[in-house]
Amino acid sequence: GENVEQHPSTLSVQEGDSAVIKCTYSDSASNYFPWYKQELGKGPQLIIDIRSNVGEKKDQRIAVTLNKTAKHFSLHITETQPEDSAVYFCAAPKLVFGAGTILRVKS
Amino acid sequence: DTEVTQTPKHLVMGMTNKKSLKCEQHMGHRAMYWYKQKAKKPPELMFVYSYEKLSINESVPSRFSPECPNSSLLNLHLHALQPEDSALYLCASSHGVSLAGAGTGELFFGEGSRLTVL
Repeated sequence: GENVEQHPSTLSVQEGDSAVIKCTYSDSASNYFPWYKQELGKGPQLIIDIRSNVGEKKDQRIAVTLNKTAKHFSLHITETQPEDSAVYFCAAPKLVFGAGTILRVKS
Repeated sequence: DTEVTQTPKHLVMGMTNKKSLKCEQHMGHRAMYWYKQKAKKPPELMFVYSYEKLSINESVPSRFSPECPNSSLLNLHLHALQPEDSALYLCASSHGVSLAGAGTGELFFGEGSRLTVL
């Protein structure tokens, strides 16, 4: 089945810095790459996604980049704010989630 | 309305009890899911329903029994659970359904039902 590896497992940044989280997938037929944010006590919520026909997508301070040759996609958060602190998951098209990254933004 | 509503939010049950978790969405989505999430772990897929039919069962023990009474409702019936089944149970829905029977595109999650088995 689909396998997705996510790194790092924890990430601490100063407010205003950038954060990058990377996921590597195994199925070369994958064509949809989402990122979810889970805050304490809540279900995961989609924050950005990308399809395989584009290499990058941006939404304000959040961007996702895709390298289909290397089979990895990354979440980029710029100008981090304390409210960005949460657990972030990538997901593979076969409904498998990465292990998660705990992001802490220190003010 | 872009919500997935799960009840109850918290449930404590003994190993001999029978209980049910409920999930409802009114977005017209045709795929619905149950995920199990243990502390500090990612959600793990349990079941997928597409067009009210069970399309994926990830080898879940029979003490968990899903049911989809109609396109808006999804239940998870619980019986003879073990303490290791204690977890957050998340329901999700999606608009698209793939040929393989799984959803495609964004998953909309509820806030979960936190289950404790004593």
